[in-house]
Amino acid sequence: AQSVAQPEDQVNVAEGNPLTVKCTYSVSGNPYLFWYVQYPNRGLQFLLKYITGDNLVKGSYGFEAEFNKSQTSFHLKKPSALVSDSALYFCAVRVYGGSQGNLIFGKGTKLSVKP
Amino acid sequence: ETGVTQSPTHLIKTRGQQVTLRCSSQSGHNTVSWYQQALGQGPQFIFQYYREEENGRGNFPPRFSGLQFPNYSSELNVNALELDDSALYLCATTGAQNEKLFFGSGTQLSVL
Repeated sequence: AQSVAQPEDQVNVAEGNPLTVKCTYSVSGNPYLFWYVQYPNRGLQFLLKYITGDNLVKGSYGFEAEFNKSQTSFHLKKPSALVSDSALYFCAVRVYGGSQGNLIFGKGTKLSVKP
Repeated sequence: ETGVTQSPTHLIKTRGQQVTLRCSSQSGHNTVSWYQQALGQGPQFIFQYYREEENGRGNFPPRFSGLQFPNYSSELNVNALELDDSALYLCATTGAQNEKLFFGSGTQLSVL
């Protein structure tokens, strides 16, 4: 079965420090991987995606993610966290053989950045 | 702003009732997906519509149904509401094959 796991319910970081939000996946075939962010009372916003190519993917708001096939991971990173980065982050994978909008999401990780 | 609008923003229904949720698509986006997000969980795929036809469905019963209109707006209908249907319902649209979904802010449905 295809799945996405976000092992941390919450990540706490001080402003200015680097942040990492972890994601591992289990899929059939080559994975299409995504990160989305959700602010309170808002829908999800696309951050970045990995389809193929360079294992380090750069996205919106200074975020990047590293695809690691051997570890089946796709961790989200940012060199210097901002208070405004505080939100709920979701990792997702496209269902193998599924339609474009058919994604499996993780449970989400709440990122809290303190001043 | 994603250009995707959902209505209503909040809705309260009682068990057994029927509900219709609406989503207007961003211009040029001919594909719409619907997701259910229970409290503390990630969104779960309900189904997707492309050119007014359902072309993908998640693990949801037939009482969850949808429509897509020629202007690409969409409806999600849920019959015989159950308490477990209480959730945030999100629609997401996309256009060309760029794999990027644009989400609306959702409809918060409470079933009492």
